[in-house]
Amino acid sequence: DTEVTQTPKHLVMGMTNKKSLKCEQHMGHRAMYWYKQKAKKPPELMFVYSYEKLSINESVPSRFSPECPNSSLLNLHLHALQPEDSALYLCASSHPGQLAKNIQYFGAGTRLSVL
Amino acid sequence: GENVEQHPSTLSVQEGDSAVIKCTYSDSASNYFPWYKQELGKRPQLIIDIRSNVGEKKDQRIAVTLNKTAKHFSLHITETQPEDSAVYFCAASGTTDSWGKFQFGAGTQVVVTP
Repeated sequence: DTEVTQTPKHLVMGMTNKKSLKCEQHMGHRAMYWYKQKAKKPPELMFVYSYEKLSINESVPSRFSPECPNSSLLNLHLHALQPEDSALYLCASSHPGQLAKNIQYFGAGTRLSVL
Repeated sequence: GENVEQHPSTLSVQEGDSAVIKCTYSDSASNYFPWYKQELGKRPQLIIDIRSNVGEKKDQRIAVTLNKTAKHFSLHITETQPEDSAVYFCAASGTTDSWGKFQFGAGTQVVVTP
């Protein structure tokens, strides 16, 4: 099973709303990632968790708040977003191990629209 | 930090012809080079990857070549089919403790016409 599951698939929110994106994997991966992807652009790394601890924050605004409650689950909490935050949000995970850790498996993404 | 350049940005090919996409990278410490295919509205999917101890890797109609000296790597698709139409991203990463932090290329839109 190489499945990374993201919910919801689509999300529309106002600038004052609070919402959360969810990502789940059951592959035993101990690194999980959040990416933001604009149309026709490559994914941009936002956060990396390794062994449930935040190891990389790519200077993401505080209106995005990640959380990793356990080794299978990754959340992204959203608050007071701006219209320019509208994008596809992708989750990915990778296996621990010297060589395998590079291989990232992506979820299908959450398409977010901020009105 | 690492910088990856990808060319061309768009590529139109006739069905059955070959397609080649090229990427160059700047950091000589990079040692893992994946290629992802992303169809419209879908997730990026790993189609092939290569590590720096290998010069070439093939998987059916897809091959990747790596020239470490020149710091460039290429994706080759032979006998293209309409289902090969997608955006292709190359990436590079190194063996730091950064858990596979990728630097992606800008992407190539491939259109295969029947």
